[in-house]
Amino acid sequence: KAGVTQTPRYLIKTRGQQVTLSCSPISGHRSVSWYQQTPGQGLQFLFEYFSETQRNKGNFPGRFSGRQFSNSRSEMNVSTLELGDSALYLCASSPVGGRSAASGANVLTFGAGSRLTVL
Amino acid sequence: LAKTTQPISMDSYEGQEVNITCSHNNIATNDYITWYQQFPSQGPRFIIQGYKTKVTNEVASLFIPADRKSSTLSLPRVSLSDTAVYYCLVGEPLYNFNKFYFGSGTKLNVKP
Repeated sequence: KAGVTQTPRYLIKTRGQQVTLSCSPISGHRSVSWYQQTPGQGLQFLFEYFSETQRNKGNFPGRFSGRQFSNSRSEMNVSTLELGDSALYLCASSPVGGRSAASGANVLTFGAGSRLTVL
Repeated sequence: LAKTTQPISMDSYEGQEVNITCSHNNIATNDYITWYQQFPSQGPRFIIQGYKTKVTNEVASLFIPADRKSSTLSLPRVSLSDTAVYYCLVGEPLYNFNKFYFGSGTKLNVKP
């Protein structure tokens, strides 16, 4: 079973440019969430999509956006890049399941990430 | 908001058992406790999950006391390859991602 695939793995951009990152979830997983990880702020939640709809959103400016396609693949976009946007961007997928003591909480499966460097 | 508190770092030697404790005083009734492991420049990887008492799998054990205000991840006989950051999370990601708080994690350094 293929894991979560993120592309590109590495990219370098300059301030003011925009970037689009892609995430292909595990087959059958319908929830995709995105995270930004930096040495200073740790791993922070960006947003989560389910059935092409954004259900949850973290505390990031509007320059950060995303979308999900009908096949559950997701993209995130960062416009007008700033130096502080340099980070490892991670996406994770999870199956849709019931919420009960028997089924347990949903487990996130992460991709390897996209390392963005803004110069 | 079920935030967690973990030690920032821990040192150990190969072959030893390592116990990492996580404090989560505001855990809600329906919250599960999940631990992830992360190596540099990789995404976190699920290790173990539990609700109460003790859970064991092929890589770790998770001990949760009756009041559920803390939990302890136990790694038996660690090796150099267990050097990583370990995150304790509390909550249900499907329903409240905004409350799914990773924190800084515990950086485990295993020495030869």
